[in-house]
Amino acid sequence: SAVISQKPSRDICQRGTSLTIQCQVDSQVTMMFWYRQQPGQSLTLIATANQGSEATYESGFVIDKFPISRPNLTFSTLTVSNMSPEDSSIYLCSVSRGIKEAFFGQGTRLTVV
Amino acid sequence: DAKTTQPTSMDCAEGRAANLPCNHSTISGNEYVYWYRQIHSQGPQYIIHGLKNNETNEMASLIITEDRKSSTLILPHATLRDTAVYYCIVRVEEGGANNLFFGTGTRLTVIP
Repeated sequence: SAVISQKPSRDICQRGTSLTIQCQVDSQVTMMFWYRQQPGQSLTLIATANQGSEATYESGFVIDKFPISRPNLTFSTLTVSNMSPEDSSIYLCSVSRGIKEAFFGQGTRLTVV
Repeated sequence: DAKTTQPTSMDCAEGRAANLPCNHSTISGNEYVYWYRQIHSQGPQYIIHGLKNNETNEMASLIITEDRKSSTLILPHATLRDTAVYYCIVRVEEGGANNLFFGTGTRLTVIP
Protein backbone atom coordinates (compact mmCIF):
# COMPACT_ATOMS: atom_id res chain seq x y z
CA SER A 1 0.00 0.00 0.00
CA ALA A 2 0.94 3.67 -0.17
CA VAL A 3 0.61 6.18 2.64
CA ILE A 4 -0.64 9.55 1.46
CA SER A 5 -0.71 12.66 3.62
CA GLN A 6 -2.70 15.69 2.62
CA LYS A 7 -2.48 19.11 4.19
CA PRO A 8 -4.53 20.88 5.28
CA SER A 9 -7.24 18.42 6.23
CA ARG A 10 -9.79 21.22 6.15
CA ASP A 11 -9.93 24.98 5.75
CA ILE A 12 -12.41 27.81 5.59
CA CYS A 13 -11.40 30.49 3.11
CA GLN A 14 -12.65 33.85 1.99
CA ARG A 15 -13.87 34.21 -1.58
CA GLY A 16 -11.31 35.64 -3.94
CA THR A 17 -8.38 34.07 -2.11
CA SER A 18 -6.33 31.00 -3.07
CA LEU A 19 -5.51 27.82 -1.18
CA THR A 20 -2.66 25.43 -1.87
CA ILE A 21 -3.18 21.79 -0.91
CA GLN A 22 -0.18 19.57 -0.39
CA CYS A 23 0.05 15.84 -1.07
CA GLN A 24 2.98 13.82 0.25
CA VAL A 25 3.49 10.14 -0.56
CA ASP A 26 5.70 7.77 1.39
CA SER A 27 7.37 6.40 -1.75
CA GLN A 28 8.14 7.44 -5.30
CA VAL A 29 5.28 7.25 -7.79
CA THR A 30 5.14 8.15 -11.44
CA MET A 31 1.70 9.68 -11.58
CA MET A 32 -0.37 11.54 -9.05
CA PHE A 33 -4.00 12.46 -9.54
CA TRP A 34 -6.20 15.19 -8.11
CA TYR A 35 -9.94 14.72 -7.66
CA ARG A 36 -12.78 16.94 -6.50
CA GLN A 37 -15.82 15.72 -4.62
CA GLN A 38 -18.56 18.30 -4.36
CA PRO A 39 -21.06 17.98 -1.50
CA GLY A 40 -23.16 14.85 -1.88
CA GLN A 41 -21.55 14.00 -5.20
CA SER A 42 -19.15 11.44 -6.58
CA LEU A 43 -15.49 12.06 -7.36
CA THR A 44 -14.44 13.95 -10.47
CA LEU A 45 -10.91 13.80 -11.83
CA ILE A 46 -9.35 17.25 -12.09
CA ALA A 47 -5.92 16.45 -13.51
CA THR A 48 -3.02 14.07 -13.72
CA ALA A 49 0.27 15.37 -12.33
CA ASN A 50 3.44 14.02 -13.91
CA GLN A 51 6.89 14.76 -12.56
CA GLY A 52 8.89 16.95 -14.91
CA SER A 53 6.01 17.98 -17.14
CA GLU A 54 2.84 20.02 -17.06
CA ALA A 55 -0.25 18.50 -15.58
CA THR A 56 -2.92 17.09 -17.86
CA TYR A 57 -6.35 18.55 -17.13
CA GLU A 58 -9.74 16.98 -17.67
CA SER A 59 -12.52 18.71 -19.49
CA GLY A 60 -13.95 21.54 -17.43
CA PHE A 61 -10.76 22.20 -15.46
CA VAL A 62 -8.08 24.70 -16.43
CA ILE A 63 -4.58 25.44 -15.24
CA ASP A 64 -5.32 29.05 -14.33
CA LYS A 65 -7.95 27.95 -11.84
CA PHE A 66 -6.22 24.80 -10.56
CA PRO A 67 -2.45 25.15 -10.99
CA ILE A 68 -0.56 22.02 -10.05
CA SER A 69 3.06 21.48 -9.15
CA ARG A 70 4.95 18.20 -9.15
CA PRO A 71 8.52 18.99 -8.12
CA ASN A 72 9.52 15.39 -7.37
CA LEU A 73 8.23 11.83 -7.32
CA THR A 74 6.77 12.00 -3.81
CA PHE A 75 5.08 15.40 -3.66
CA SER A 76 2.47 17.48 -5.45
CA THR A 77 0.40 20.57 -4.78
CA LEU A 78 -2.96 21.69 -6.07
CA THR A 79 -3.93 25.35 -5.80
CA VAL A 80 -7.53 26.46 -5.92
CA SER A 81 -7.32 30.02 -7.19
CA ASN A 82 -9.66 32.98 -6.84
CA MET A 83 -12.09 30.89 -4.86
CA SER A 84 -15.84 31.19 -4.90
CA PRO A 85 -18.44 29.32 -2.81
CA GLU A 86 -18.88 26.92 -5.75
CA ASP A 87 -15.35 25.65 -5.06
CA SER A 88 -16.43 24.30 -1.69
CA SER A 89 -15.60 20.61 -2.01
CA ILE A 90 -13.37 17.85 -0.80
CA TYR A 91 -10.15 17.69 -2.79
CA LEU A 92 -8.38 14.34 -2.89
CA CYS A 93 -4.94 13.27 -3.99
CA SER A 94 -4.46 9.79 -5.44
CA VAL A 95 -1.51 7.67 -6.52
CA SER A 96 -1.02 4.24 -7.97
CA ARG A 97 1.81 1.89 -7.34
CA GLY A 98 1.80 -0.61 -10.11
CA ILE A 99 -1.18 -1.04 -12.36
CA LYS A 100 -3.77 -2.55 -10.12
CA GLU A 101 -5.07 -0.23 -7.51
CA ALA A 102 -5.19 3.42 -6.60
CA PHE A 103 -4.62 4.84 -3.15
CA PHE A 104 -6.27 7.99 -1.92
CA GLY A 105 -5.46 10.54 0.71
CA GLN A 106 -8.00 11.48 3.35
CA GLY A 107 -8.89 14.60 1.44
CA THR A 108 -8.97 18.33 2.12
CA ARG A 109 -12.38 19.69 3.01
CA LEU A 110 -12.59 23.24 1.68
CA THR A 111 -15.34 25.68 2.55
CA VAL A 112 -15.42 29.04 0.79
CA VAL A 113 -17.40 31.80 2.46
CA ASP B 1 -17.46 9.60 -18.40
CA ALA B 2 -18.72 6.87 -16.09
CA LYS B 3 -19.74 3.80 -18.04
CA THR B 4 -21.57 2.02 -15.26
CA THR B 5 -25.00 2.15 -13.66
CA GLN B 6 -25.67 1.13 -10.08
CA PRO B 7 -28.66 1.32 -7.76
CA THR B 8 -28.61 4.47 -5.69
CA SER B 9 -28.92 2.74 -2.35
CA MET B 10 -29.29 -0.66 -0.69
CA ASP B 11 -29.77 -2.00 2.80
CA CYS B 12 -28.34 -5.21 4.19
CA ALA B 13 -28.76 -6.92 7.54
CA GLU B 14 -25.61 -7.31 9.60
CA GLY B 15 -24.07 -10.75 9.13
CA ARG B 16 -25.83 -11.38 5.85
CA ALA B 17 -24.27 -11.27 2.41
CA ALA B 18 -24.46 -7.95 0.61
CA ASN B 19 -24.83 -8.27 -3.15
CA LEU B 20 -24.18 -5.05 -5.05
CA PRO B 21 -25.02 -5.10 -8.77
CA CYS B 22 -23.43 -3.06 -11.53
CA ASN B 23 -24.35 -2.76 -15.20
CA HIS B 24 -21.62 -2.00 -17.72
CA SER B 25 -23.23 -2.97 -21.00
CA THR B 26 -20.78 -0.96 -23.15
CA ILE B 27 -17.63 -2.44 -21.63
CA SER B 28 -14.81 -3.05 -24.09
CA GLY B 29 -12.83 -6.24 -24.37
CA ASN B 30 -9.75 -4.76 -22.71
CA GLU B 31 -11.54 -3.01 -19.86
CA TYR B 32 -11.48 -4.29 -16.32
CA VAL B 33 -14.18 -3.94 -13.69
CA TYR B 34 -12.96 -2.26 -10.50
CA TRP B 35 -14.74 -1.77 -7.21
CA TYR B 36 -13.91 0.91 -4.67
CA ARG B 37 -15.73 2.03 -1.59
CA GLN B 38 -15.79 5.30 0.31
CA ILE B 39 -16.56 5.29 3.97
CA HIS B 40 -17.84 8.60 5.28
CA SER B 41 -15.15 11.31 5.51
CA GLN B 42 -12.44 9.06 4.08
CA GLY B 43 -10.79 8.67 0.70
CA PRO B 44 -11.92 5.82 -1.55
CA GLN B 45 -10.51 2.37 -0.84
CA TYR B 46 -9.76 -0.30 -3.41
CA ILE B 47 -11.73 -3.53 -2.97
CA ILE B 48 -11.24 -5.82 -5.95
CA HIS B 49 -11.04 -5.93 -9.71
CA GLY B 50 -11.42 -8.46 -12.53
CA LEU B 51 -11.53 -8.92 -16.28
CA LYS B 52 -13.78 -11.90 -16.99
CA ASN B 53 -13.15 -14.51 -14.36
CA ASN B 54 -14.69 -14.38 -10.95
CA GLU B 55 -12.32 -13.03 -8.32
CA THR B 56 -12.11 -13.36 -4.55
CA ASN B 57 -9.92 -11.72 -1.96
CA GLU B 58 -10.03 -11.13 1.76
CA MET B 59 -12.56 -8.34 1.39
CA ALA B 60 -15.03 -9.52 -1.20
CA SER B 61 -15.93 -11.60 -4.23
CA LEU B 62 -16.55 -10.29 -7.72
CA ILE B 63 -18.87 -12.16 -10.06
CA ILE B 64 -18.76 -11.09 -13.71
CA THR B 65 -21.35 -12.40 -16.15
CA GLU B 66 -20.19 -14.36 -19.14
CA ASP B 67 -21.07 -11.53 -21.53
CA ARG B 68 -19.29 -9.09 -19.15
CA LYS B 69 -22.18 -6.66 -19.32
CA SER B 70 -22.79 -6.78 -15.61
CA SER B 71 -21.15 -7.77 -12.37
CA THR B 72 -21.93 -8.25 -8.70
CA LEU B 73 -19.78 -7.40 -5.72
CA ILE B 74 -20.41 -9.72 -2.80
CA LEU B 75 -19.53 -8.93 0.79
CA PRO B 76 -20.07 -12.36 2.35
CA HIS B 77 -20.79 -11.29 5.92
CA ALA B 78 -21.61 -7.61 6.08
CA THR B 79 -20.68 -5.69 9.21
CA LEU B 80 -21.63 -2.21 10.34
CA ARG B 81 -18.20 -1.01 9.21
CA ASP B 82 -19.10 -1.95 5.63
CA THR B 83 -21.60 0.92 5.49
CA ALA B 84 -20.21 3.05 2.67
CA VAL B 85 -20.71 4.20 -0.91
CA TYR B 86 -19.56 1.49 -3.32
CA TYR B 87 -18.31 2.50 -6.76
CA CYS B 88 -18.14 0.21 -9.78
CA ILE B 89 -15.67 1.47 -12.38
CA VAL B 90 -14.55 0.12 -15.73
CA ARG B 91 -11.16 1.05 -17.07
CA VAL B 92 -8.26 -0.22 -19.09
CA GLU B 93 -5.53 -1.61 -16.85
CA GLU B 94 -2.66 0.44 -18.27
CA GLY B 95 0.74 0.45 -16.71
CA GLY B 96 1.31 3.51 -14.56
CA ALA B 97 -2.04 5.09 -15.36
CA ASN B 98 -4.76 5.08 -12.79
CA ASN B 99 -7.14 7.85 -13.64
CA LEU B 100 -10.53 6.68 -12.46
CA PHE B 101 -13.91 7.93 -13.59
CA PHE B 102 -16.39 7.48 -10.79
CA GLY B 103 -20.13 7.08 -11.25
CA THR B 104 -22.70 7.85 -8.60
CA GLY B 105 -22.16 4.60 -6.69
CA THR B 106 -24.43 2.61 -4.37
CA ARG B 107 -24.88 3.73 -0.81
CA LEU B 108 -24.91 0.52 1.24
CA THR B 109 -26.33 0.71 4.73
CA VAL B 110 -25.73 -2.27 6.98
CA ILE B 111 -28.48 -2.54 9.53
CA PRO B 112 -27.91 -4.04 13.00
